[in-house]
Amino acid sequence: AQTVTQSQPEMSVQEAETVTLSCTYDTSESDYYLFWYKQPPSRQMILVIRQEAYKQQNATENRFSVNFQKAAKSFSLKISDSQLGDAAMYFCAYRVLNSGYALNFGKGTSLLVTP
Amino acid sequence: DSGVTQTPKHLITATGQRVTLRCSPRSGDLSVYWYQQSLDQGLQFLIQYYNGEERAKGNILERFSAQQFPDLHSELNLSSLELGDSALYFCASSVGGGSQETQYFGPGTRLLVL
Repeated sequence: AQTVTQSQPEMSVQEAETVTLSCTYDTSESDYYLFWYKQPPSRQMILVIRQEAYKQQNATENRFSVNFQKAAKSFSLKISDSQLGDAAMYFCAYRVLNSGYALNFGKGTSLLVTP
Repeated sequence: DSGVTQTPKHLITATGQRVTLRCSPRSGDLSVYWYQQSLDQGLQFLIQYYNGEERAKGNILERFSAQQFPDLHSELNLSSLELGDSALYFCASSVGGGSQETQYFGPGTRLLVL
């Protein structure tokens, strides 16, 4: 079974600071995709960033970047210059290439941003 | 706004009843996915349709069914509802349904079964 583990149920960061959210996954596959989704209080699921497992370069989207360690099966999300609007639940998700189409989600990390 | 629409936003019903949730994918997207988000189970994949055909099934109960219509909108039917079916139901869409594609989520339908 493929599992995604987010070991931090809650995290807190001060505005303008940097925070890293952890995610590990378990798979025997070599080709897959990893995603971070954000769920603010509105409950909308918003894609933050995605990473293809075959790419060694870590993905970056503005203030959001990932640290992808394939051998360690680790996929952490770094948020730089945190803003109040970043407060949300963050979900790590995994999807195997050419083998099923569903996203497998972790349990989520609740991020609190303090002024 | 992801471009995926879901109706209704909220639904309150009683045990034993049947409800239908509706989803319209983004313009041009052929694939629709249904997910259930509950406190105890987290986010779980239910079912996927591609261009009107069922493509993949997840943890969908036999009391639940779905379909995708020729205009590509999809409906999720939940019957013989139980208290434990109370959850947020998301629809997501992607262009072709390939595993390399990003899924874009709708705002969800919050179902409360009393």
